[in-house]
Formats: sequence, structure tokens, C-alpha cells
Amino acid sequence: GQQVMQIPQYQHVQEGEDFTTYCNSSTTLSNIQWYKQRPGGHPVFLIQLVKSGEVKKQKRLTFQFGEAKKNSSLHITATQTTDVGTYFCAGDTGGFKTIFGAGTRLFVKA
Amino acid sequence: DVKVTQSSRYLVKRTGEKVFLECVQDMDHENMFWYRQDPGLGLRLIYFSYDVKMKEKGDIPEGYSVSREKKERFSLILESASTNQTSMYLCASSSMGTGNEKLFFGSGTQLSVL
Repeated sequence: GQQVMQIPQYQHVQEGEDFTTYCNSSTTLSNIQWYKQRPGGHPVFLIQLVKSGEVKKQKRLTFQFGEAKKNSSLHITATQTTDVGTYFCAGDTGGFKTIFGAGTRLFVKA
Repeated sequence: DVKVTQSSRYLVKRTGEKVFLECVQDMDHENMFWYRQDPGLGLRLIYFSYDVKMKEKGDIPEGYSVSREKKERFSLILESASTNQTSMYLCASSSMGTGNEKLFFGSGTQLSVL
């Protein structure tokens, strides 16, 4: 079945360092979403990418959708302690089912 | 402020018990979902519903059933709880839109089956 793979599983960074998480799908996606889950919290929607090659920015966060619409990345510049949590990508090939990656847990050391 | 409310934050049940997890949303959303979250596996879709009395199986429906009698309420039922159903259960809702619209999640129910 359709799978969305996400790497790395964990990432430890020093505050101020950059961070990137990658998402790869076995099939072409109609769009991809990114969510953040703080420790003890629930996933919260960050952004949705729809177009091939699309790049969107939210302050220090940069989201990319690959040309083939099979991969995506989230890059955080100069991490802060408030960035800690688990980042999930989620995609679908059309319809109602949103398939989530396993997530990347980010630890930031002050 | 939009809200998805799950009835219990923590639940402890015995093997073989029938378990009901309730979810209510106040956004008049058509779509509602049940996911389970396990470490290293992310969120896996159990069931979803795109209308009252309609339901569709997700990726891991075995051992679960659902009920959607009213638009705002979506219930997950474990007919006979087993230890491998110990997990965090997350309910979500979304508007109809043109595809997969963004999901609004509840706070989750941590279920332990002993």
C-alpha cells in the first residue's frame, strides 16, 4: 500500500543550529501537509504544499515539495528551544485518506 | 476557537472489555477520523467518515468499529479490547474541501489495556 517514509527518526541539535527532516512517498502525492506535535500535545497543522516544486516559508521554517511530487522537506534555520517536538509529514494520492510519516523528533539543547 | 474534544485523556481497561472512545467537534466538519499513534510508527488511520452514518476503513481497522449518528460526533469502539490495542488514540476532523483538507486534532486518549 501507499507509504510515506520520513527521516531521520530523531535529531539532536544545539540551539542555533539548522535542522532538516525529509519525507519520501512511494507514489505521487496530490499534496503534502506538515504538522508539529509538542511533547505531550497533539499534532497541529503547519502548512500544505500542492504544486510541483513549491517552496513556502514561515519565519525560520522552509517547506519544499519535490518536482515529482514524491518528496518533501522541512528546514528550520537557527533552531530555538521552542522548536522541540515531533514533525510529521502527511500526504495522499487523492481522496480523504491522509497518510502520515513516522515523524522526526527534534531535541534542542540550550 | 475551533475544537475537537475527546471524552477521556487517560483510560485503563481490562482485556476483553468493550471500550468506547468518544469524539465531538464544533466546527460543522463533514469529515472525521480516528488514528492511533505508536512510537516509531507515526499516526495510522483506523477509520474515517465523510458523512453521517457513513464510514470507511483506514489502514488498520481490525478489532475496531465506529459509529457516526450525528455530524459532530464520531465514536471508536473496541469490541473486545486486547493488550496490543494499548496506544494513544487521536480523533481529527476536517472540512469537505477538494481533497485532504487540514486536520484538526483532539488532545488524544491514552488507552492502556491490561
